[in-house]
Amino acid sequence: QVQLVESGGGLVKPGGSLRLACAASGFSFSDYYMSWIRQAPGKGPECISYISSSGNTRRYADAVKGRFTVSRDNAKKSLYLEMNSLGAGDTAVYYCAREGRGAVTETYDNWGQGTLVTVSS
Amino acid sequence: EIVMTQSPATLSVSPGERASLSCRASQNVNGNLAWYQQKPGQAPRLFIYGVSNRASGVPARFSGSGSGTEFTLTISSLQSEDLAVYYCQQYNDWPRAFGQGTKVEIK
Repeated sequence: QVQLVESGGGLVKPGGSLRLACAASGFSFSDYYMSWIRQAPGKGPECISYISSSGNTRRYADAVKGRFTVSRDNAKKSLYLEMNSLGAGDTAVYYCAREGRGAVTETYDNWGQGTLVTVSS
Repeated sequence: EIVMTQSPATLSVSPGERASLSCRASQNVNGNLAWYQQKPGQAPRLFIYGVSNRASGVPARFSGSGSGTEFTLTISSLQSEDLAVYYCQQYNDWPRAFGQGTKVEIK
């Protein structure tokens, strides 16, 4: 079955950096667009980035543009999120999510369990 | 940027009763509307896509309707396991915005 396992979250000081990873299994990773979605405490989810199946297309929400970089390694079936210049507003659970294909295209049909990023001094 | 607004914030319904959750988009999303269920401590789960199509494994008591900018998720007969927060999401445009959620409580 589809599995997405995030890692790399933790406590970081304002202005610091962090790299999240997502290990995928149970499906043909290289065939799917992948996304990072975050959810601040008590808030709705927020789509912050996606990357095409080949990695050639990447898109970011304005809130993270210029600070975050999404990448993938299809050989390793892994998705990454490099986060720089972190601020308190970046505190959230970060989810790796698979974008559906066919009838469910552009929806998020599988999610990881999330990794918590806390930005605090 | 499309903004999604959900109402009410909290809905208390007795078991077996009908529950209706509303979602409004700030502009036409051309049917590109999904609903997700999130139970405490879990990731969201895709429930409805394309306004009215149930995702795999979703019970038939859940249905979606609407068009343009106004959408509804209906639970025909609430069960205790339906306790969760439900989010609508548009995927017509980037960023793919979620609403702030409706929490369904069992009365």
